[in-house]
Amino acid sequence: GAGVSQSPSNKVTEKGKDVELRCDPISGHTALYWYRQRLGQGLEFLIYFQGNSAPDKSGLPSDRFSAERTGESVSTLTIQRTQQEDSAVYLCASSLGRSTGELFFGEGSRLTVL
Amino acid sequence: GQQLNQSPQSMFIQEGEDVSMNCTSSSIFNTWLWYKQDPGEGPVLLIALYKAGELTSNGRLTAQFGITRKDSFLNISASIPSDVGIYFCAGRMNTGNQFYFGTGTSLTVIP
Repeated sequence: GAGVSQSPSNKVTEKGKDVELRCDPISGHTALYWYRQRLGQGLEFLIYFQGNSAPDKSGLPSDRFSAERTGESVSTLTIQRTQQEDSAVYLCASSLGRSTGELFFGEGSRLTVL
Repeated sequence: GQQLNQSPQSMFIQEGEDVSMNCTSSSIFNTWLWYKQDPGEGPVLLIALYKAGELTSNGRLTAQFGITRKDSFLNISASIPSDVGIYFCAGRMNTGNQFYFGTGTSLTVIP
């Protein structure tokens, strides 16, 4: 597709359940970012993938969070044993590469943990 | 972690007025980006800056990369109702991969 695609757009889950969020970046974009945005707040960096290099996981808030990406394609963000404080919009962005610096965001996945 | 101070936090202006907002960091950045976010959508890139002192325009929007490399400014001229939204600055240091985002400026344009 022309833009970054994320699914699901909305997810409501019960505390303690696992969730998986998907991101399909723009074709040809080697860099992929996951950010979290809590209501009314800015964006918090979670994780960065660049090609086949080891991901930068420095923003993951706990070991309940993990993400995978195969090559330069789809990425999945997994949150295990969800907590209410995990409720947020999870945004994925891709770019041509680190040097270009321009991130293109998807519309996000809104997660609500009851 | 790195903090970006973005101001003002919110603005209420009359249609046709000009708008200015800015972002400052405690560290030197080599890239500054400005985004606009509408409710329920992801941020949309407005302007990208890569060089200290650089001044770049995109229609009625103009952004500058501060010469200290620790700040950036966004100006919107002759505001219109569709300018309503939240504007975010983002910056990246020479080392590291992440872009740090400001807390946003909420803009309301009164017709």
